[in-house]
Amino acid sequence: SQQGEEDPQALSIQEGENATMNCSYKTSINNLQWYRQNSGRGLVHLILIRSNEREKHSGRLRVTLDTSKKSSSLLITASRAADTASYFCATATEFTGRRALTFGSGTRLQVQP
Amino acid sequence: EAGVAQSPRYKIIEKRQSVAFWCNPISGHATLYWYQQILGQGPKLLIQFQNNGVVDDSQLPKDRFSAERLKGVDSTLKIQPAKLEDSAVYLCASSVTGVVGQETQYFGPGTRLLVL
Repeated sequence: SQQGEEDPQALSIQEGENATMNCSYKTSINNLQWYRQNSGRGLVHLILIRSNEREKHSGRLRVTLDTSKKSSSLLITASRAADTASYFCATATEFTGRRALTFGSGTRLQVQP
Repeated sequence: EAGVAQSPRYKIIEKRQSVAFWCNPISGHATLYWYQQILGQGPKLLIQFQNNGVVDDSQLPKDRFSAERLKGVDSTLKIQPAKLEDSAVYLCASSVTGVVGQETQYFGPGTRLLVL
């Protein structure tokens, strides 16, 4: 089963607006990562936030993590048409014995020019 | 730096046929992953290799799926026989050491499989 679940499933905004995507997860984690996937392409790593961090920035990206609520959000500021893609959160946990990432189902972002 | 290479990019087969996918990870990356991504879903791990040893294959349908990583570099994933529900994109990824969550995973472009 998926560990992370993104919300909303789909989001359509105008260029220049901000886009916010949320991710909820179920078990304790080591860290949470966000990936982007353009149509028909592989995934690209965007940002990693560790369980002892609350906020992290990278360019136009801002990620927050609330471990008490088991949730994270990804904010893309001043969106561009090129940001159109699917965005996935992925969690890494040391408690299950599994060592790979568990991905959510993704948010499909459409940025209208 | 060259990225993760996968081939073929697309494959169409009939059910009960066999198919194989190939992956060449980034040079020097010890850990290699195969994911299955069904349309509209996130990737699901099938198998993880550390060098040429299997770390996790708990979600690999072993009655029909097999994978190997000879010499700790390239890897092949095979499906035999294929079922309709195997239609998906098969993604290969690699990371430097595979220490849980401390490493970025680098993904290939994927192989899109359609089983008719």
